[in-house]
Amino acid sequence: EDKVVQSPLSLVVHEGDTVTLNCSYEVTNFRSLLWYKQEKKAPTFLFMLTSSGIEKKSGRLSSILDKKELFSILNITATQTGDSAIYLCAVEPSGTYKYIFGTGTRLKVLA
Amino acid sequence: EAQVTQNPRYLITVTGKKLTVTCSQNMNHEYMSWYRQDPGLGLRQIYYSMNVEVTDKGDVPEGYKVSRKEKRNFPLILESPSPNQTSLYFCASSFLRQGRDTQYFGPGTRLTVL
Repeated sequence: EDKVVQSPLSLVVHEGDTVTLNCSYEVTNFRSLLWYKQEKKAPTFLFMLTSSGIEKKSGRLSSILDKKELFSILNITATQTGDSAIYLCAVEPSGTYKYIFGTGTRLKVLA
Repeated sequence: EAQVTQNPRYLITVTGKKLTVTCSQNMNHEYMSWYRQDPGLGLRQIYYSMNVEVTDKGDVPEGYKVSRKEKRNFPLILESPSPNQTSLYFCASSFLRQGRDTQYFGPGTRLTVL
């Protein structure tokens, strides 16, 4: 059965810290991996990764995919209180149009 | 403004009373999808649609129906709701090909079945 596992489940840091969130997956015929940020309600898209080793970057956030070891990491540097959210990882098996989400990592950044 | 809308946003109902949650998008997206979110279980896909009259099951379709008669609308139907369908529901949409993975999510519908 395809599955996505995120770790840690929750994390509390102070402003300015750097955090690394993990997403590992067991999916047959992987097509893409996505990261979302969920603050109050609806998730918002952060990154999509399809190729191994290529880093996607947006400001203080970056993500990299390792297709051989079947995992991805999301890094947030110089964290701010506005980064407090649930971070979701999702994987699309190739040719399915389905998305399998992990349970998310709840990040809390203290001032 | 590009958006996905859902109605109602909050609903309390009783077991067995049929209900429909509407979802509409104004971005001309081919792909639409329904998810439910439960504590400790994350987001789970219920149904998705690749275009008008084309739908398929996600991971947790039992107890739900969908239809896609128009491109912009994708209602979720619970014919006989049960308490285990109490959840937060999200509708999402995206283009089917280019930009497909950038799903836009609606604001969510909090459903309680007593």
